[in-house]
Amino acid sequence: KQEVTQIPAALSVPEGENLVLNCSFTDSAIYNLQWFRQDPGKGLTSLLLIQSSQREQTSGRLNASLDKSSGRSTLYIAASQPGDSATYLCAVSRGYQKVTFGIGTKLQVIP
Amino acid sequence: DTGVSQDPRHKITKRGQNVTFRCDPISEHNRLYWYRQTLGQGPEFLTYFQNEAQLEKSRLLSDRFSAERPKGSFSTLEIQRTEQGDSAMYLCASSVGGEQYFGPGTRLTVT
Repeated sequence: KQEVTQIPAALSVPEGENLVLNCSFTDSAIYNLQWFRQDPGKGLTSLLLIQSSQREQTSGRLNASLDKSSGRSTLYIAASQPGDSATYLCAVSRGYQKVTFGIGTKLQVIP
Repeated sequence: DTGVSQDPRHKITKRGQNVTFRCDPISEHNRLYWYRQTLGQGPEFLTYFQNEAQLEKSRLLSDRFSAERPKGSFSTLEIQRTEQGDSAMYLCASSVGGEQYFGPGTRLTVT
């Protein structure tokens, strides 16, 4: 059974800091890994998708890396802004079917 | 560009009543997923459709839950004889490749 763990559970940083969110998974036989953000009471917004054959993906100030062999992914956020405050979730899939999510990291960026 | 839509956004019902939620995926997406999310948790997979075929169901999906996707377009999730433990956010997502796009969710409160 796939288990996804996200560390830390919560993080508070001053505006402008660079930060790293961690995601680990127990079964390395994944098809892809996706990072999402979720604002309170809202649905999920896709940030980055990394296919199992890829090592990293970048979008603007976000960079996600994937190390399948060690069962880890990191999401790097550069020059954090108050608008980045949200819960960040990672999800892994095996094929197109069942997707397993972590509990998320709640990020607060203080102006 | 029309994203994934869900209706209703909020539903309050009394214990024992039946409820039905609707999800309209992005038009060219052939895969559709239902998830349930409770406070402080990541989304939990419920079921998955490829076109009109329901290919996987979680053990979380008891016999009170049923989902359909007639003609491979919109999908409905019905909960019969609701219980207080069914109170949660019900999320729908669609994809055509590996990347999932989520709707805003339906917040269910069972009183």
